Amino acid sequence: GNSVTQMEGPVTLSEEAFLTINCTYTATGYPSLFWYVQYPGEGLQLLLKATKADDKGSNKGFEATYRKETTSFHLEKGSVQVSDSAVYFCALLPPYGGATNKLIFGTGTLLAVQP
Amino acid sequence: DGGITQSPKYLFRKEGQNVTLSCEQNLNHDAMYWYRQDPGQGLRLIYYSQIVNDFQKGDIAEGYSVSREKKESFPLTVTSAQKNPTAFYLCASRPGTAVYNQPQHFGDGTRLSIL
Repeated sequence: GNSVTQMEGPVTLSEEAFLTINCTYTATGYPSLFWYVQYPGEGLQLLLKATKADDKGSNKGFEATYRKETTSFHLEKGSVQVSDSAVYFCALLPPYGGATNKLIFGTGTLLAVQP
Repeated sequence: DGGITQSPKYLFRKEGQNVTLSCEQNLNHDAMYWYRQDPGQGLRLIYYSQIVNDFQKGDIAEGYSVSREKKESFPLTVTSAQKNPTAFYLCASRPGTAVYNQPQHFGDGTRLSIL
């Protein structure tokens, strides 16, 4: 079946450090892949997406590349800020939405950036 | 601006009481979803609806009920049968099945607590 595996947190970094949050997936065919961010007490916001192999999604300095050969969609940022502290969710939409267009979420990774 | 509005932001329930969480969207999306999020955990799907007057159970539907009488509205009722209702509830929507690689958009959530 379809599934998403994220690295466990929390991830604690100093300001301006390099960030990687690993995400790997299992799916049949070519799913669409997403990263969402959740700030404390808020809902989820779409951060970036990629809909086919080798696509690179990017937004607000964050990037992720859809790697079919390694079934991965790792999130990276070159220099994190305190304001990036949040929970990050990797998610998968099965090819053609599957039967129900349901997103498959990872368990989330808490990022804490210290000044 | 278009978006998803959840209300109230905070809700308290007494033992044996049913409560209803509101979710309204003006994005003209066909599909709507309800998720439950427990502290430090990922999202679990409660119910979803792909079209007006139709909805399906998600992974944890017991103790919850929904209706979809209007395209823009998808209220969730937490019944007295739900023995552990304290959680953060998130509503989401997305375009219909014809647009298969589009992400879900989320509201800001309702935090439900037991008195």
